[in-house]
Amino acid sequence: GIQVEQSPPDLILQEGANSTLRCNFSDSVNNLQWFHQNPWGQLINLFYIPSGTKQNGRLSATTVATERYSLLYISSSQTTDSGVYFCAVEPLGAGSYQLTFGKGTKLSVIP
Amino acid sequence: GAVVSQHPSWVICKSGTSVKIECRSLDFQATTMFWYRQFPKQSLMLMATSNEGSKATYEQGVEKDKFLINHASLTLSTLTVTSAHPEDSSFYICSARKLGTGDEQYFGPGTRLTVT
Repeated sequence: GIQVEQSPPDLILQEGANSTLRCNFSDSVNNLQWFHQNPWGQLINLFYIPSGTKQNGRLSATTVATERYSLLYISSSQTTDSGVYFCAVEPLGAGSYQLTFGKGTKLSVIP
Repeated sequence: GAVVSQHPSWVICKSGTSVKIECRSLDFQATTMFWYRQFPKQSLMLMATSNEGSKATYEQGVEKDKFLINHASLTLSTLTVTSAHPEDSSFYICSARKLGTGDEQYFGPGTRLTVT
């Protein structure tokens, strides 16, 4: 099956700093989503981005489908950004709509 | 919006009993819902795909007789953990694919199951 690798696995930032999270995937995808899992376990949809670039406030994401990677940018980080960020993909042509998750990047933003 | 709810949010049960978890899409219809399991400090693992009006499709290694899934309507899927054992203790999360808007999935808040 498709492999999803996220880096770095852990990241500690000072409040106000910027960061880039990476997601590499081993095959072409029909769907790619970025999520933030908060301390209570809720997954919050950040981006649905199988290709292209999107921005939402301090967050933006870019997926380069031909090179099989996606980047999540967090600018001016805040303590509330802490948590685990997951990338999840659905292989192209699978037709199952099933998502395969990476192992996540645990972000800690310290004041 | 696209809101998915789960009930209960947490449950403690005794070994050998059964527990039902509900997953509802509150403001949209979902022909397909998914059930995941997450162990502490790990990623989400897909357990099964639930299709409205048909049998669920289980991932390899998931016991269909232990984890019963029913998707009776376009807004409700249920997961029943039968004859629960301590090793079934985990965080169970459902998601729903919003009909008519592509493949984006929306996730419920999860249910923490503890079997004593």
